[in-house]
Amino acid sequence: KAGVTQTPRYLIKTRGQQVTLSCSPISGHRSVSWYQQTPGQGLQFLFEYFSETQRNKGNFPGRFSGRQFSNSRSEMNVSTLELGDSALYLCASSLVPGNNEQFFGPGTRLTVL
Amino acid sequence: QKEVEQDPGPLSVPEGAIVSLNCTYSNSAFQYFMWYRQYSRKGPELLMYTYSSGNKEDGRFTAQVDKSSKYISLFIRDSQPSDSATYLCAMTNTGFQKLVFGTGTRLLVSP
Repeated sequence: KAGVTQTPRYLIKTRGQQVTLSCSPISGHRSVSWYQQTPGQGLQFLFEYFSETQRNKGNFPGRFSGRQFSNSRSEMNVSTLELGDSALYLCASSLVPGNNEQFFGPGTRLTVL
Repeated sequence: QKEVEQDPGPLSVPEGAIVSLNCTYSNSAFQYFMWYRQYSRKGPELLMYTYSSGNKEDGRFTAQVDKSSKYISLFIRDSQPSDSATYLCAMTNTGFQKLVFGTGTRLLVSP
């Protein structure tokens, strides 16, 4: 069974630009969560989607947003990029919310110059 | 103070050693505890998943949870060079609001 896929794998942007990252969950998984991973802060929860609805949100500014489509694929968007947004963005899928066995994709490495 | 504390390492051991990795936490509402392994340039991979206190064994890996001490451990027996990775603990509460991660411990197993 194919795992979680994320595209693109690498991105380089400049300050002020916006970026969209994509995540396809494991087939049959309907819950998608996003995390930001940095050396200083580790893995931090961004948001979780289920049935095209955001269920939970972490402590990130409104520049970070996301959505989920009817096929469970998810996108996250970061607007007005800042240098501090440089990070590995990870997507995780699970069967349903509350199923704590989350499976991660390889991540998208975003570099903001 | 962070909700979950984890020594960043690196922890260097020779092949065949028993490895002990630990996390402490402050939120007594946490009920579900997980260990992830992350290789360089890869996403985290779920290794072990336990509910509440107790032990769980899977091959060379044993996870322990002591809720009274707010302390969890992962033991790796007969460690191999292929075990060299960063190990992340994660936990959440009933109803699953979000996974809270430790910052990870980097493990190096030398041949």
